[in-house]
Amino acid sequence: DQQVKQNSPSLSVQEGRISILNCDYTNSMFDYFLWYKKYPAEGPTFLISISSIKDKNEDGRFTVFLNKSAKHLSLHIVPSQPGDSAVYFCAASPLLIQGAQKLVFGQGTRLTINP
Amino acid sequence: DTEVTQTPKHLVMGMTNKKSLKCEQHMGHRAMYWYKQKAKKPPELMFVYSYEKLSINESVPSRFSPECPNSSLLNLHLHALQPEDSALYLCASSQLDRVDEQYFGPGTRLTVT
Repeated sequence: DQQVKQNSPSLSVQEGRISILNCDYTNSMFDYFLWYKKYPAEGPTFLISISSIKDKNEDGRFTVFLNKSAKHLSLHIVPSQPGDSAVYFCAASPLLIQGAQKLVFGQGTRLTINP
Repeated sequence: DTEVTQTPKHLVMGMTNKKSLKCEQHMGHRAMYWYKQKAKKPPELMFVYSYEKLSINESVPSRFSPECPNSSLLNLHLHALQPEDSALYLCASSQLDRVDEQYFGPGTRLTVT
């Protein structure tokens, strides 16, 4: 049972335009949501996160939106740059368990930014 | 220093071999994690250590044996693996009192022949 879903395996966007990556989740116990970016031959790198008490968090070119009623979140990248080409993973975490985080990842979306 | 290092980068082992994967961080993080990632799949949590004690085991087969000898090191001992265990093994660490990012290492690409 996939608790975190990224239904688009790939996305291609022109440089300078907006990239929108989507993520849906099923578990209402998830309390915190994160986006990670992964280049080939590297581990995932944390990008941005949002707590369930917020509906928007912005960090430079990256904004994450959370719609709790729809159990949906999205990552907006604007303007998109060639260096943004990577695989993006959505992840969700329930409340702290014994002080450590348990992250559940989506399948990932491969974003390609075309010059 | 926000780096998590993992050795080796690549490992090929037979089904009767015993090998170990190593992970190290010097960020003072007291939670450390092992994930397994198959091709075109998301990372899947295997083990979590909090204060050097195993706190979560996601029903991982006993042929995988984690060890946390101190707050900076995390090992994964491998024995009698199967070809389907071939995957990228990722280590991560995080602070315990903040529900935010985990820092990942680059992973060890394991091939079981």
